[in-house]
Amino acid sequence: AQTVTQSQPEMSVQEAETVTLSCTYDTSESDYYLFWYKQPPSRQMILVIRQEAYKQQNATENRFSVNFQKAAKSFSLKISDSQLGDAAMYFCAYSPSQGGSEKLVFGKGTKLTVNP
Amino acid sequence: AAGVIQSPRHLIKEKRETATLKCYPIPRHDTVYWYQQGPGQDPQFLISFYEKMQSDKGSIPDRFSAQQFSDYHSELNMSSLELGDSALYFCASSQTSGRIETQYFGPGTRLLVL
Repeated sequence: AQTVTQSQPEMSVQEAETVTLSCTYDTSESDYYLFWYKQPPSRQMILVIRQEAYKQQNATENRFSVNFQKAAKSFSLKISDSQLGDAAMYFCAYSPSQGGSEKLVFGKGTKLTVNP
Repeated sequence: AAGVIQSPRHLIKEKRETATLKCYPIPRHDTVYWYQQGPGQDPQFLISFYEKMQSDKGSIPDRFSAQQFSDYHSELNMSSLELGDSALYFCASSQTSGRIETQYFGPGTRLLVL
């Protein structure tokens, strides 16, 4: 069974600084998707960024970027120029790509605090 | 852009009562997923539907059932409610025909069982 591990229960960063959240996963599949979701205090689940395993290029979305290391099964999220609105729980998630209807497997989450 | 709609947003029930949660996916999305998130927990997959057929099943109690209708909306029926069923229930939808099957989440239904 696939598992996702986030080893940092909590992280903090100063406003305007950069922070990296770690995620590792375990799978025997060669093709899959990886995601980072953000859950602010409202508890809405918001997609931050996604990565397809067959793509070597790391995904980037504005201030958010990932470092995807397929061999190491590592998928970290870097947040640049941190803003107060970035404070939230961040979940790393894995999904196989077997033609659809595949559930997300989440890590336990990392709570990010942004200090002014 | 249209998002996933869930109703009701909040629900309070007594033990042993029944609850029905509704989900309206993003237009043209053909797959619906249900997740349960307990306090301080990560979301746990319950069940999914593709083109109105059950496609995958997770740790969903036998007391729960779900279906997807012809208009693609889905309902999660929960019977004989227990205190431990108190949680945030998410519905997510995706377009399976696309290469990247990103799941987009609704705002969730907060269920409190007293």
